[in-house]
Amino acid sequence: DVVMTQSPLSLPVTLGQPASISCRSSQSLVYSDGNTYLNWFQQRPGQSPRRLIYKVSNRDSGVPDRFSGSGSGTDFTLNISRVEAEDVGVYYCMQNTHWPLTFGGGTKVEIK
Amino acid sequence: EVQLLESGGALVQPGGSLRLSCAASGFIFSTYAMSWVRQAPGRGLEWVSTIRDSGGSTFYADSVKGRFTISRDNSKNTLYLQMNSLRAEDTALYYCVKESSGTSYGGFPHWGQGTLVTVSS
Repeated sequence: DVVMTQSPLSLPVTLGQPASISCRSSQSLVYSDGNTYLNWFQQRPGQSPRRLIYKVSNRDSGVPDRFSGSGSGTDFTLNISRVEAEDVGVYYCMQNTHWPLTFGGGTKVEIK
Repeated sequence: EVQLLESGGALVQPGGSLRLSCAASGFIFSTYAMSWVRQAPGRGLEWVSTIRDSGGSTFYADSVKGRFTISRDNSKNTLYLQMNSLRAEDTALYYCVKESSGTSYGGFPHWGQGTLVTVSS
């Protein structure tokens, strides 16, 4: 199975400051069609997960442009350019290149 | 608007069975693959199972293979998860998730609110 490793586990941030979450996979996530199937999800307290980013860097409809995804191969990053109070929650990366589909352990973003 | 309404969660004894349902609306159900993802209390997300649009292909996590069965009734716009031989470690909030197309898997663009399964004596 592909192991997804996120860091840090917890990320205290100051409002208005940038934040960055790392996600590393144990195998390359490049599929035979040339695409890299790496998603990012946000789970606010008490809510269902919401997809923010798909295929590494494509932002979902309605997602603020302060969220961006980057990376390639086995190394990926979610960046928040200026953290707002509504960004508090747990962020998960997930790969859907290989079966079984696997999630990272999550990164908890909180306000300092 | 996509709506996914899960039901069927309950308290069940170890070794027992349960069937979860997910009523879908707001999209053409028969043209999208569907999945179940679970989250144990205070823990992260775990993919459980996926079924393609026609129901002809199904996929399972090793942790549930042989015990859980995913199915769908496209005439009723409903997704199911039959859960047998339940264990304490199956205790979780089970989310119904709509895929991006009939045969794409793991995109997970739309999630339901979840239904809680508790396995305990």
